[in-house]
Amino acid sequence: QKEVEQNSGPLSVPEGAIASLNCTYSDRGSQSFFWYRQYSGKSPELIMFIYSNGDKEDGRFTAQLNKASQYVSLLIRDSQPSDSATYLCAVNRRSGYSTLTFGKGTMLLVSP
Amino acid sequence: NAGVTQTPKFQVLKTGQSMTLQCAQDMNHNSMYWYRQDPGMGLRLIYYSASEGTTDKGEVPNGYNVSRLNKREFSLRLESAAPSQTSVYFCASSEGGAGYNEQFFGPGTRLTVL
Repeated sequence: QKEVEQNSGPLSVPEGAIASLNCTYSDRGSQSFFWYRQYSGKSPELIMFIYSNGDKEDGRFTAQLNKASQYVSLLIRDSQPSDSATYLCAVNRRSGYSTLTFGKGTMLLVSP
Repeated sequence: NAGVTQTPKFQVLKTGQSMTLQCAQDMNHNSMYWYRQDPGMGLRLIYYSASEGTTDKGEVPNGYNVSRLNKREFSLRLESAAPSQTSVYFCASSEGGAGYNEQFFGPGTRLTVL
């Protein structure tokens, strides 16, 4: 089982819709979860992180964490064409120093 | 503030050649990282440096060496390049461990090994 799994997409949504990006992880002891956004040809940048079960909101973005189901998601409300990018889910590795394991990313396409 | 800078931006090597990728950060971060990104593979950690004077292997260290020259600079060396090392390489830094701190990424180096 891969450590961090994401559907590669592309996920296509119309402008103004809610985009839902999902991620599952295998290490039940993982404690911190990150969403990075990467535009084509650019470097990743942090959108949100979440540590506790439940929802965390930041503007149009909501991260949801369910540790019992080993599932983390990112909701983007009122999607804009400028949200079209690849979204990388990352989970901390418990062993050794604190580093991240990244999923392969989900490509989101928002059509005008 | 330049953030994280990387040189070169592009490089083409022949099999067996060596090269060093340079990375520097001006945010006074303790931790620095080298990742590679291949199509459809996401980011994979090559090496990291938790603090000045320390380096450790990540998921895919074979064929690479690193040097944490000082707090600002972290270099990645390919001693004998192979076509399998064709990739985009990202350097990143964070104040503390990446599991609890935002990572800031450099612009990347696109490396092709023929």
